Amino acid sequence: DAKTTQPTSMDCAEGRAANLPCNHSTISGNEYVYWYRQIHSQGPQYIIHGLKNNETNEMASLIITEDRKSSTLILPHATLRDTAVYYCIVRVDMKTSYDKVIFGPGTSLSVIP
Amino acid sequence: GAVVSQHPSRVICKSGTSVKIECRSLDFQATTMFWYRQFPKKSLMLMATSNEGSKATYEQGVEKDKFLINHASLTLSTLTVTSAHPEDSSFYICSARKLGDYHNEQFFGPGTRLTVL
Repeated sequence: DAKTTQPTSMDCAEGRAANLPCNHSTISGNEYVYWYRQIHSQGPQYIIHGLKNNETNEMASLIITEDRKSSTLILPHATLRDTAVYYCIVRVDMKTSYDKVIFGPGTSLSVIP
Repeated sequence: GAVVSQHPSRVICKSGTSVKIECRSLDFQATTMFWYRQFPKKSLMLMATSNEGSKATYEQGVEKDKFLINHASLTLSTLTVTSAHPEDSSFYICSARKLGDYHNEQFFGPGTRLTVL
């Protein structure tokens, strides 16, 4: 799997958009970008994933650069409940592989009242 | 759908005893389950991959005789920490891959906090 780099921590004001960057400069053509988050003392939660097009769901938006070497997870209106560690992971499409989710250190997002 | 449970959520045991942690997929069948451990303020570390009906595949550095994994059915995997010691105290998390799902997404359990005295 390609490695990713993320900032160690970030703060965001409640109600504002939280933009979490991720660099994955060695990503391969068949690798997807996945985002998970982990609220303190809970299991990780899937947020969103994409290959090259921007994606949006009820939780977040994922913006992937045209060269696919970086991406940004956007939480449009951060709430205190969004305080968590956010993990960016790149990996092959799991339907064709028995690949496993390997976590990096992630970004600790603190939403400030 | 796609709920994974773990039992117990929290366990305290004496050094030298064995502890079994269950991971269940409640509303789907799981071809593969994964076990992770997480130390305070650290990321999740994959311990092993468990396929139903076959032996688990352990990651480098994980002692298979210490962390026994059994995946007897498509909805249940168990992790047994044998002869537990204080350094085994950790947050153990399982995940399950849904059988037949297009993206074979992994769904994570809520975790089990093990404290060895």
